[in-house]
Amino acid sequence: GAVVSQHPSWVICKSGTSVKIECRSLDFQATTMFWYRQFPKQSLMLMATSNEGSKATYEQGVEKDKFLINHASLTLSTLTVTSAHPEDSSFYICSATYPTPDTQYFGPGTRLTVL
Amino acid sequence: KQEVTQIPAALSVPEGENLVLNCSFTDSAIYNLQWFRQDPGKGLTSLLLIQSSQREQTSGRLNASLDKSSGRSTLYIAASQPGDSATYLCAAGTNAGKSTFGDGTTLTVKP
Repeated sequence: GAVVSQHPSWVICKSGTSVKIECRSLDFQATTMFWYRQFPKQSLMLMATSNEGSKATYEQGVEKDKFLINHASLTLSTLTVTSAHPEDSSFYICSATYPTPDTQYFGPGTRLTVL
Repeated sequence: KQEVTQIPAALSVPEGENLVLNCSFTDSAIYNLQWFRQDPGKGLTSLLLIQSSQREQTSGRLNASLDKSSGRSTLYIAASQPGDSATYLCAAGTNAGKSTFGDGTTLTVKP
């Protein structure tokens, strides 16, 4: 089956720094990827839709200037958390649809801890 | 806006028991319904994916059903084992690929 990977799997950073998280589709091309966030003891919430070659579409309440998404190729989307603060500590998961939108594959997630 | 609810929030059963986890969604115009398992501090493991045209899917001791008209899905786990202890999430998917997740049911299977 299709595989989606994320890197890094976990990251600890100091408050005020920026962190980049990568989401890759390993054996298929994904024109659309999705980024989700999961706070402790809560479920996953969709943050944004990442479209290859165009701007991401953000869900209501998600700061697009804080969470920069770049989908530069058909196999890679990146999420950059700029000027991270402790409240950004969360589990970030990406997904990609293949071969049709009704089949989604999820990455293993990246745990971000901001000190 | 789609809302997904999972009941119960937590469930504790003795080993060997059969159990049912419930998932309900408010908008029946879903494209698929997916069940995931999440272990503490870990990512998602996809268990079963039911397309909107299907009624159920089975994998080993797991069986998931989907009733779009009533906005409900159930995950049946047969002969539960301690290794089944985890949080189970259901997610309703749209034809654009987006998913709305429930809050999950945390299952504990006692030896």
